[in-house]
Amino acid sequence: LAKTTQPISMDSYEGQEVNITCSHNNIATNDYITWYQQFPSQGPRFIIQGYKTKVTNEVASLFIPADRKSSTLSLPRVSLSDTAVYYCLVGGNYGGSQGNLIFGKGTKLSVKP
Amino acid sequence: GAVVSQHPSRVICKSGTSVKIECRSLDFQATTMFWYRQFPKQSLMLMATSNEGSKATYEQGVEKDKFLINHASLTLSTLTVTSAHPEDSSFYICSARSDMTGVGETQYFGPGTRLLVL
Repeated sequence: LAKTTQPISMDSYEGQEVNITCSHNNIATNDYITWYQQFPSQGPRFIIQGYKTKVTNEVASLFIPADRKSSTLSLPRVSLSDTAVYYCLVGGNYGGSQGNLIFGKGTKLSVKP
Repeated sequence: GAVVSQHPSRVICKSGTSVKIECRSLDFQATTMFWYRQFPKQSLMLMATSNEGSKATYEQGVEKDKFLINHASLTLSTLTVTSAHPEDSSFYICSARSDMTGVGETQYFGPGTRLLVL
């Protein structure tokens, strides 16, 4: 399973765009990239998932370069409620049904007023 | 959609007793569920993979006789912490992977169960 590296923490202010980059140099051909958000004493919440290029949904965008060795989660106009830990995970099989997701240390995002 | 529930949300028990935690996928079928443990200020650690109708697969260092997993149906997996001790106090989180095929896979997580062993 590919190991991921993220910044331990990031600070931002309300209304700013936040970009969290994750490195996964050993990503396998069949691995996909998934980001989760976790608040204290809650289970992780799915944010976005992608395999290559750019993916956008109602809460975030995910940018994946052609070599797929990194990915960037972009949160537009963050608010105080976006203060949480964000996890980048790689694993599983693209289009398949096998594989586990192993959590790294995550990035603790603190949004200030 | 894709809701996973856990019960109980928190439990306090005496040392030496057993505690059962239920994980249910409410609106989808999940052949595979996962159990994680999370200590304060740490990341989630995968304990085991639960497969419907077969034995669970445990991660290295996780005692299968202490953490009993049963996945009796496509929507329910249970984790029983047997003879719990204070060091077992933690936040236990389950996740379920939808059986729907498609691009990639997504695990949906339950809200977690806080276990405190006195």
